Amino acid sequence: DIQMTQSPSSLSASVGDRVTITCRASQNIDTYLNWYQQRPGKVPKLLIYTASSLQSGVPSRFSGGGSGTHFSLTISGLQPEDFATYYCQQSYNTPPTFGGGTKVEIK
Amino acid sequence: EVQLVESGGDFVQPGGSLTLSCAASGFTFLNYEMNWVRQAPGKGLEWVSYIDETGTAIAYADSVKGRFTISRDVAKKLVYLQMSDLRAEDTAIYYCARRYIRTPRNFDYWGQGTLVTVSS
Repeated sequence: DIQMTQSPSSLSASVGDRVTITCRASQNIDTYLNWYQQRPGKVPKLLIYTASSLQSGVPSRFSGGGSGTHFSLTISGLQPEDFATYYCQQSYNTPPTFGGGTKVEIK
Repeated sequence: EVQLVESGGDFVQPGGSLTLSCAASGFTFLNYEMNWVRQAPGKGLEWVSYIDETGTAIAYADSVKGRFTISRDVAKKLVYLQMSDLRAEDTAIYYCARRYIRTPRNFDYWGQGTLVTVSS
């Protein structure tokens, strides 16, 4: 199975900050990488697919990048509704595996 | 409107069985494989199982292989997860999620989830 490792596991930031979360795959997954946001008590929501494509309806302050084994999710100008846990997930092969999550908290 | 509605979650004793259902609507069911993803209390997301659009290709996480069975009723647009020999570590919210059969193969819609609690 492909292991997905996210860092950091948590971070504190202020409204308006630029935040970057990284995700590393244990093997080459090309750009088969997706990002999800999960607010407390809510259902996971797809933000970014194939590493850098923005899902419909997702604000443009979210962006993704990377390929191969190293990926990133950047939030440019953190908003109050962005405080949540973010997960990366590879769709290169089965089983689809998730990273452990990065919790973005209010400083 | 795309909807995935799970049901069947309950409190069950270790060794017990339970069947979860997911009712799909608002999209062409045969264009999507269906998945179950779970989340233990306070933990991350763990993929559990998938079934392809025709019901012929199926896969399970190692943690549930041999104990869980996924199936789908195309006519009724339902997906099932039969769970047996349940363990405390199976306690989680179980989400039904769809994934398009071609690229990009992401989980673009999720149900609200159904809670399974395994405890004596």
